[in-house]
Amino acid sequence: GQQLNQSPQSMFIQEGEDVSMNCTSSSIFNTWLWYKQDPGEGPVLLIALYKAGELTSNGRLTAQFGITRKDSFLNISASIPSDVGIYFCAGQKGAGGTSYGKLTFGQGTILTVHP
Amino acid sequence: GAGVSQSPSNKVTEKGKDVELRCDPISGHTALYWYRQSLGQGLEFLIYFQGNSAPDKSGLPSDRFSAERTGGSVSTLTIQRTQQEDSAVYLCASSLRSAGLKETQYFGPGTRLLVL
Repeated sequence: GQQLNQSPQSMFIQEGEDVSMNCTSSSIFNTWLWYKQDPGEGPVLLIALYKAGELTSNGRLTAQFGITRKDSFLNISASIPSDVGIYFCAGQKGAGGTSYGKLTFGQGTILTVHP
Repeated sequence: GAGVSQSPSNKVTEKGKDVELRCDPISGHTALYWYRQSLGQGLEFLIYFQGNSAPDKSGLPSDRFSAERTGGSVSTLTIQRTQQEDSAVYLCASSLRSAGLKETQYFGPGTRLLVL
Protein backbone atom coordinates (compact mmCIF):
# COMPACT_ATOMS: atom_id res chain seq x y z
CA GLY A 1 0.00 0.00 0.00
CA GLN A 2 0.95 3.65 -0.27
CA GLN A 3 3.36 5.00 2.29
CA LEU A 4 4.65 8.47 2.86
CA ASN A 5 8.35 9.18 2.27
CA GLN A 6 9.83 10.04 5.64
CA SER A 7 13.41 11.11 6.28
CA PRO A 8 15.84 10.65 7.79
CA GLN A 9 15.45 6.96 8.64
CA SER A 10 17.49 7.41 11.82
CA MET A 11 19.23 10.12 13.80
CA PHE A 12 21.89 10.00 16.51
CA ILE A 13 22.16 13.27 18.39
CA GLN A 14 23.53 14.72 21.60
CA GLU A 15 21.22 15.86 24.34
CA GLY A 16 20.35 19.51 23.86
CA GLU A 17 20.54 19.45 20.07
CA ASP A 18 17.62 20.28 17.82
CA VAL A 19 16.11 17.67 15.51
CA SER A 20 14.25 17.99 12.24
CA MET A 21 12.44 15.33 10.21
CA ASN A 22 10.10 15.55 7.27
CA CYS A 23 7.57 13.69 5.21
CA THR A 24 6.55 14.00 1.58
CA SER A 25 3.80 12.50 -0.50
CA SER A 26 2.87 12.34 -4.15
CA SER A 27 -0.77 12.96 -3.26
CA ILE A 28 -2.64 15.51 -1.20
CA PHE A 29 -3.73 14.92 2.38
CA ASN A 30 -6.26 17.01 4.30
CA THR A 31 -4.65 16.30 7.65
CA TRP A 32 -1.07 15.64 8.70
CA LEU A 33 -0.25 13.99 12.00
CA TRP A 34 2.93 13.20 13.91
CA TYR A 35 3.11 10.20 16.25
CA LYS A 36 5.77 8.83 18.59
CA GLN A 37 6.12 5.12 19.31
CA ASP A 38 8.02 3.72 22.28
CA PRO A 39 9.19 0.08 22.31
CA GLY A 40 6.34 -2.34 22.89
CA GLU A 41 3.72 0.38 22.69
CA GLY A 42 1.33 1.74 20.13
CA PRO A 43 1.89 5.16 18.54
CA VAL A 44 0.85 8.22 20.54
CA LEU A 45 -0.31 11.39 18.82
CA LEU A 46 2.03 14.37 19.26
CA ILE A 47 0.69 17.02 16.90
CA ALA A 48 -2.20 17.26 14.43
CA LEU A 49 -2.30 19.74 11.54
CA TYR A 50 -5.54 20.50 9.71
CA LYS A 51 -4.84 23.44 7.40
CA ALA A 52 -2.29 23.99 4.66
CA GLY A 53 0.44 26.30 5.92
CA GLU A 54 -0.49 25.70 9.56
CA LEU A 55 2.36 25.84 12.06
CA THR A 56 1.61 24.25 15.42
CA SER A 57 3.67 23.83 18.58
CA ASN A 58 3.37 21.41 21.47
CA GLY A 59 6.03 22.22 24.04
CA ARG A 60 9.41 21.62 22.42
CA LEU A 61 7.77 20.20 19.30
CA THR A 62 6.85 22.27 16.27
CA ALA A 63 5.23 20.92 13.11
CA GLN A 64 4.09 22.47 9.86
CA PHE A 65 1.56 21.44 7.24
CA GLY A 66 3.07 22.18 3.83
CA ILE A 67 1.33 24.71 1.63
CA THR A 68 0.96 22.16 -1.17
CA ARG A 69 -0.63 19.69 1.29
CA LYS A 70 1.91 17.12 0.15
CA ASP A 71 4.47 17.52 2.92
CA SER A 72 5.05 18.21 6.59
CA PHE A 73 7.97 18.59 8.97
CA LEU A 74 8.52 18.09 12.68
CA ASN A 75 11.13 19.90 14.74
CA ILE A 76 12.18 18.97 18.27
CA SER A 77 14.16 21.60 20.10
CA ALA A 78 16.64 21.05 22.95
CA SER A 79 16.33 17.25 22.83
CA ILE A 80 16.33 15.23 26.05
CA PRO A 81 16.91 11.50 26.62
CA SER A 82 13.19 10.73 26.86
CA ASP A 83 12.73 11.92 23.28
CA VAL A 84 14.20 8.58 22.20
CA GLY A 85 11.77 6.56 20.12
CA ILE A 86 10.37 6.18 16.63
CA TYR A 87 8.58 9.15 15.11
CA PHE A 88 5.99 8.63 12.39
CA CYS A 89 4.24 11.04 10.13
CA ALA A 90 0.76 10.14 8.96
CA GLY A 91 -1.62 11.60 6.44
CA GLN A 92 -5.39 11.46 6.43
CA LYS A 93 -7.45 12.22 3.36
CA GLY A 94 -10.89 12.52 4.87
CA ALA A 95 -13.77 13.68 2.72
CA GLY A 96 -15.80 16.84 2.47
CA GLY A 97 -13.40 18.73 4.67
CA THR A 98 -13.48 16.18 7.45
CA SER A 99 -10.48 14.65 9.12
CA TYR A 100 -11.66 11.10 9.61
CA GLY A 101 -10.65 7.76 8.35
CA LYS A 102 -7.65 5.58 7.69
CA LEU A 103 -4.17 6.88 8.17
CA THR A 104 -1.28 6.50 5.73
CA PHE A 105 2.05 6.33 7.56
CA GLY A 106 5.65 7.13 6.80
CA GLN A 107 8.37 4.55 7.44
CA GLY A 108 9.43 6.22 10.67
CA THR A 109 12.49 8.05 12.00
CA ILE A 110 14.42 6.31 14.77
CA LEU A 111 15.75 8.92 17.19
CA THR A 112 18.60 8.19 19.58
CA VAL A 113 19.67 10.86 22.06
CA HIS A 114 23.03 10.53 23.78
CA PRO A 115 23.21 12.11 27.26
CA GLY B 1 -7.02 1.69 32.45
CA ALA B 2 -9.41 3.18 29.93
CA GLY B 3 -7.20 2.80 26.87
CA VAL B 4 -7.40 0.44 23.91
CA SER B 5 -6.46 -3.08 24.92
CA GLN B 6 -5.36 -5.95 22.71
CA SER B 7 -4.87 -9.64 23.32
CA PRO B 8 -2.80 -11.65 23.21
CA SER B 9 0.23 -9.41 23.49
CA ASN B 10 2.35 -12.05 21.77
CA LYS B 11 1.39 -15.00 19.59
CA VAL B 12 3.63 -17.65 18.09
CA THR B 13 2.02 -20.01 15.64
CA GLU B 14 2.94 -22.53 13.01
CA LYS B 15 2.56 -21.88 9.31
CA GLY B 16 -0.86 -22.94 8.12
CA LYS B 17 -2.65 -22.44 11.44
CA ASP B 18 -5.43 -19.90 12.00
CA VAL B 19 -5.08 -17.10 14.55
CA GLU B 20 -7.51 -14.67 16.16
CA LEU B 21 -6.45 -11.31 17.52
CA ARG B 22 -8.72 -9.31 19.79
CA CYS B 23 -9.19 -5.58 20.27
CA ASP B 24 -11.16 -3.87 23.02
CA PRO B 25 -11.64 -0.23 22.03
CA ILE B 26 -12.13 2.70 24.36
CA SER B 27 -15.68 2.61 25.68
CA GLY B 28 -18.00 4.73 23.56
CA HIS B 29 -15.67 5.00 20.59
CA THR B 30 -17.58 4.40 17.39
CA ALA B 31 -14.70 3.93 14.96
CA LEU B 32 -12.22 1.05 15.13
CA TYR B 33 -9.17 0.51 12.92
CA TRP B 34 -6.72 -2.35 12.37
CA TYR B 35 -3.18 -1.66 11.14
CA ARG B 36 -0.18 -3.91 10.56
CA GLN B 37 3.41 -2.93 11.31
CA SER B 38 6.15 -5.05 9.77
CA LEU B 39 9.67 -4.93 11.19
CA GLY B 40 11.25 -1.54 10.56
CA GLN B 41 8.23 -0.25 8.68
CA GLY B 42 5.43 2.19 9.24
CA LEU B 43 1.90 1.13 9.91
CA GLU B 44 -0.19 -0.25 7.07
CA PHE B 45 -3.97 0.15 7.13
CA LEU B 46 -5.98 -3.08 7.05
CA ILE B 47 -9.66 -2.43 7.84
CA TYR B 48 -11.92 -0.05 9.68
CA PHE B 49 -15.38 -0.09 11.22
CA GLN B 50 -17.59 2.94 11.80
CA GLY B 51 -20.81 2.43 13.68
CA ASN B 52 -23.26 0.30 11.71
CA SER B 53 -21.77 1.17 8.33
CA ALA B 54 -20.20 -1.48 6.11
CA PRO B 55 -16.53 -1.81 7.03
CA ASP B 56 -13.79 -0.46 4.77
CA LYS B 57 -11.82 -3.62 3.92
CA SER B 58 -9.66 -2.02 1.27
CA GLY B 59 -6.39 -2.66 3.13
CA LEU B 60 -6.75 -6.39 3.73
CA PRO B 61 -3.84 -8.05 1.90
CA SER B 62 -5.63 -11.27 0.99
CA ASP B 63 -8.83 -13.23 1.56
CA ARG B 64 -7.08 -15.07 4.39
CA PHE B 65 -7.63 -11.93 6.46
CA SER B 66 -11.02 -11.04 7.91
CA ALA B 67 -12.35 -9.02 10.80
CA GLU B 68 -15.59 -8.51 12.59
CA ARG B 69 -16.87 -6.15 15.21
CA THR B 70 -19.61 -7.45 17.46
CA GLY B 71 -22.10 -5.14 19.12
CA GLY B 72 -20.19 -2.08 17.99
CA SER B 73 -17.46 -2.75 20.52
CA VAL B 74 -14.95 -5.62 20.56
CA SER B 75 -13.29 -6.56 17.28
CA THR B 76 -11.55 -9.75 16.20
CA LEU B 77 -9.03 -9.95 13.36
CA THR B 78 -8.70 -13.47 11.97
CA ILE B 79 -5.87 -14.71 9.81
CA GLN B 80 -6.46 -18.09 8.23
CA ARG B 81 -3.72 -20.45 7.05
CA THR B 82 -0.99 -18.16 8.35
CA GLN B 83 2.15 -17.59 6.30
CA GLN B 84 5.57 -16.47 7.48
CA GLU B 85 5.08 -13.09 5.79
CA ASP B 86 2.13 -12.50 8.14
CA SER B 87 4.61 -12.05 11.00
CA ALA B 88 4.20 -8.48 12.20
CA VAL B 89 2.73 -6.34 14.96
CA TYR B 90 -1.01 -5.92 14.56
CA LEU B 91 -2.26 -2.65 16.04
CA CYS B 92 -5.80 -1.60 16.79
CA ALA B 93 -6.97 1.99 17.17
CA SER B 94 -10.29 3.53 18.13
CA SER B 95 -11.72 7.00 17.86
CA LEU B 96 -14.80 8.97 18.73
CA ARG B 97 -16.72 10.40 15.82
CA SER B 98 -18.35 13.45 17.29
CA ALA B 99 -20.26 16.25 15.61
CA GLY B 100 -16.94 17.92 14.87
CA LEU B 101 -14.81 17.27 11.84
CA LYS B 102 -11.74 15.89 13.51
CA GLU B 103 -10.81 12.66 15.24
CA THR B 104 -7.91 11.33 17.25
CA GLN B 105 -7.07 7.67 16.84
CA TYR B 106 -5.88 6.05 20.06
CA PHE B 107 -3.74 2.99 19.57
CA GLY B 108 -3.47 -0.17 21.61
CA PRO B 109 -0.10 -1.79 22.42
CA GLY B 110 -0.42 -4.30 19.59
CA THR B 111 -0.20 -8.06 19.19
CA ARG B 112 3.17 -9.37 18.07
CA LEU B 113 2.55 -12.31 15.75
CA LEU B 114 5.34 -14.69 14.78
CA VAL B 115 4.61 -17.40 12.23
CA LEU B 116 7.18 -20.18 12.24
